[in-house]
Amino acid sequence: AQSVAQPEDQVNVAEGNPLTVKCTYSVSGNPYLFWYVQYPNRGLQFLLKYITGDNLVKGSYGFEAEFNKSQTSFHLKKPSALVSDSALYFCAVRDGRNAGNMLTFGGGTRLMVKP
Amino acid sequence: DTEVTQTPKHLVMGMTNKKSLKCEQHMGHRAMYWYKQKAKKPPELMFVYSYEKLSINESVPSRFSPECPNSSLLNLHLHALQPEDSALYLCASSQDEGRVRRSNQPQHFGDGTRLSIL
Repeated sequence: AQSVAQPEDQVNVAEGNPLTVKCTYSVSGNPYLFWYVQYPNRGLQFLLKYITGDNLVKGSYGFEAEFNKSQTSFHLKKPSALVSDSALYFCAVRDGRNAGNMLTFGGGTRLMVKP
Repeated sequence: DTEVTQTPKHLVMGMTNKKSLKCEQHMGHRAMYWYKQKAKKPPELMFVYSYEKLSINESVPSRFSPECPNSSLLNLHLHALQPEDSALYLCASSQDEGRVRRSNQPQHFGDGTRLSIL
């Protein structure tokens, strides 16, 4: 079985400060990890993914994420938050070794960036 | 602007109505998906099509009937829905080299159809 946990329902940061949205996962095989963002009344937008290689992955809009195998984490980060980053963020995982396991989403974290 | 287009954006229907949701993509993706999303919750997978064939049905009630007429289009036919079916219905697509069950490709989502059942 595969699972994803986003331990924080909401993260509040001030504009210009660094932000971190946490994600931990569990898979029996190789993790394929994704971050998506959802703005109000919109679909999910792909931000970045980790498949293999460098543990630090850079994505859209200045976001990056660090894959940590020992801690089974894939936290999303940005050095300087913008008010426009306020949205709902989903971490997702699938097991790259075991066929038949489709994408599993975390519960989502609402990011609020205040001016 | 998203590259996956869904119509209509909003739909209100009675429990005895028949309606259809439509999804279109022109990215050459051969895997297409239907998700259901309740407010402030993650999307729940309903169906997956790979090369126009139904690959996965996540035990969805028969009042939801998917159809993939060609590689660019995906429909979801609705009949005799219940109030609890009210939700945002999202379509997505991804590259698929004939192995959607092992794919590491990201999914591209449309903006969804917000469905309300009276």
